[in-house]
Amino acid sequence: QLVLTQSPSASASLGASVKLTCTLSSGHSSYAIAWHQQQPEKGPRYLMKLNSDGSHSKGDGIPDRFSGSSSGAERYLTISSLQSEDEADYYCQTWGTGIHEVFGGGTKLTVL
Amino acid sequence: EVQLVESGGGLVQPGGSLRLSCAASGFTFSSYDMHWVRQATGKGLEWVSAIGTAGDTYYPGSVKGRFTISRENAKNSLYLQMNSLRAGDTAVYYCARAVYSGYDLPIWYFDLWGRGTLVTVSS
Repeated sequence: QLVLTQSPSASASLGASVKLTCTLSSGHSSYAIAWHQQQPEKGPRYLMKLNSDGSHSKGDGIPDRFSGSSSGAERYLTISSLQSEDEADYYCQTWGTGIHEVFGGGTKLTVL
Repeated sequence: EVQLVESGGGLVQPGGSLRLSCAASGFTFSSYDMHWVRQATGKGLEWVSAIGTAGDTYYPGSVKGRFTISRENAKNSLYLQMNSLRAGDTAVYYCARAVYSGYDLPIWYFDLWGRGTLVTVSS
């Protein structure tokens, strides 16, 4: 069973960089995932699809400050030059007909 | 403009029914798989149902037998019929467009979200 695991929280200073992690469960390191951002009181927003080799394709209008990378079963979202509006919840996601744990638990990012 | 707009949420008593709608615009609706996702207050995202372009449907155990997803391509609309509602179904319900990726093992990911509609199940 594929399970996506995320740390519940992260924090970084304004203008700094932060790297969020989504870990795929054992035996599932060849899956791509998507990253989504959810700002307070808003619906989710698609950021990018991230492949197992680290290549990624971003959604329309997503700033260059957002990038993705991969290593084994880890999928990373890096946000550079942090801005106040980056304070949000970030979810990794994948779906297949046999996958019901579609989302990671989410990481709440605080910009200090 | 490419968008999804949900409607139909509201207050319903336990055991009651509600039908949500999602209006799609700006893209060829019939070419995409579509999903419903919900989020209870202060909680994470939870997948609720999916429908393929051929009308095949999928549900998690938590809603199977109570919820029915459907689509009407001529009206660019997605629906979620919710029966036997429980307090635990209280959430904001989002519709999402799914895209297939075969780059690695095949998966679908969501590349477009609506703004959501609130469903409250309470007496």
